[in-house]
Amino acid sequence: DQQVKQNSPSLSVQEGRISILNCDYTNSMFDYFLWYKKYPAEGPTFLISISSIKDKNEDGRFTVFLNKSAKHLSLHIVPSQPGDSAVYFCAASARTSGSRLTFGEGTQLTVNP
Amino acid sequence: AAGVIQSPRHLIKEKRETATLKCYPIPRHDTVYWYQQGPGQDPQFLISFYEKMQSDKGSIPDRFSAQQFSDYHSELNMSSLELGDSALYFCASSDRVKMVAEAFFGQGTRLTVV
Repeated sequence: DQQVKQNSPSLSVQEGRISILNCDYTNSMFDYFLWYKKYPAEGPTFLISISSIKDKNEDGRFTVFLNKSAKHLSLHIVPSQPGDSAVYFCAASARTSGSRLTFGEGTQLTVNP
Repeated sequence: AAGVIQSPRHLIKEKRETATLKCYPIPRHDTVYWYQQGPGQDPQFLISFYEKMQSDKGSIPDRFSAQQFSDYHSELNMSSLELGDSALYFCASSDRVKMVAEAFFGQGTRLTVV
């Protein structure tokens, strides 16, 4: 039972353009959402998060949007840079579960020069 | 800034052997999590500790056990290893006192069971 789903296994964009990574969830108890970036042979690196009381959070080139009614969130990267090429994981947490993270399957982003 | 330290980075064991993975959290972080990531899969939560007490338990096999010590480091003990235990094992830490869910991950231990 995949409670967090990233339906696009891969995404390819041109340098300077916008990258949009999508994530859907099914568990209505999730109240905190995070995006992690992962390079091969390294651990996931925290990027940005959003609480369920907000619908947008921005940090530099990264913006996360949350649509609670649709149980959908997205990560926008603009402008995209070749160094952004990595696997991006969406993760969700519920206060009642003690902050364990439930991850999506990941999306491989490739930014072409 | 200090990060989460995991050791060893790589480990090769034979079936039915035991393995111990170590994790040193970020200083002043009070919560440690263990995750398992199989090939081509997303990380799966195993177990967590808050202030040295088990706080949550996920899909951790009975053959595995873990604990958090007085210095907040944690160890994951794995016995009767099976081929299917081959995976990346990540430790993460967070500061629950600040009521934030951001967990910071170590570089992982790659366990190969042959």
